Amino acid sequence: EAGVAQSPRYKIIEKRQSVAFWCNPISGHATLYWYQQILGQGPKLLIQFQNNGVVDDSQLPKDRFSAERLKGVDSTLKIQPAKLEDSAVYLCASSPGASFTGELFFGEGSRLTVL
Amino acid sequence: GENVEQHPSTLSVQEGDSAVIKCTYSDSASNYFPWYKQELGKGPQLIIDIRSNVGEKKDQRIAVTLNKTAKHFSLHITETQPEDSAVYFCAATFNSGYSTLTFGKGTMLLVSP
Repeated sequence: EAGVAQSPRYKIIEKRQSVAFWCNPISGHATLYWYQQILGQGPKLLIQFQNNGVVDDSQLPKDRFSAERLKGVDSTLKIQPAKLEDSAVYLCASSPGASFTGELFFGEGSRLTVL
Repeated sequence: GENVEQHPSTLSVQEGDSAVIKCTYSDSASNYFPWYKQELGKGPQLIIDIRSNVGEKKDQRIAVTLNKTAKHFSLHITETQPEDSAVYFCAATFNSGYSTLTFGKGTMLLVSP
């Protein structure tokens, strides 16, 4: 079974530029998550989708971050304009149920460096 | 919201020794406590979990204990091996109409041969 796919793996941009990350969850998984992991810290939830609807985006900096999950499958996370403090690994995860029931399956992450 | 504290931040052991990582949580309604292992350049992977109706769970060399009264849970790794070297994260559910996970800051475990 294919795992969660993310791209790009690495991205370096200047501050105030924009960037987009893409995630393809495990086939059939209803719930998709975007986490931000700053170096030396645990993952922090940015947004949670259930099918193509947003369940929780309370920690998403909405003035610069946006995310969508069209047709309840793939998802994109966009940052515009980027700040230095956005340097982090952006992890996408998925889980099979329509509501949280246990294991999250993570992708390998997209590492963003903002200069 | 939920707060999860994890200690220690780094742990160095000799191969064959045991390792213990401890976490505390703040939300008394939390009912699910997983542990994830993250190797360099990879995403976190679930290694063991426990639900609030159980006090202890074991899977080969790994065990987790839960004390709901004290709101803390621990990961125990016995007979450590170099391949156990990684960052370990505890997490707890935060219930606000739906459930989501809040992670601790992680423990870097180094097992020396």
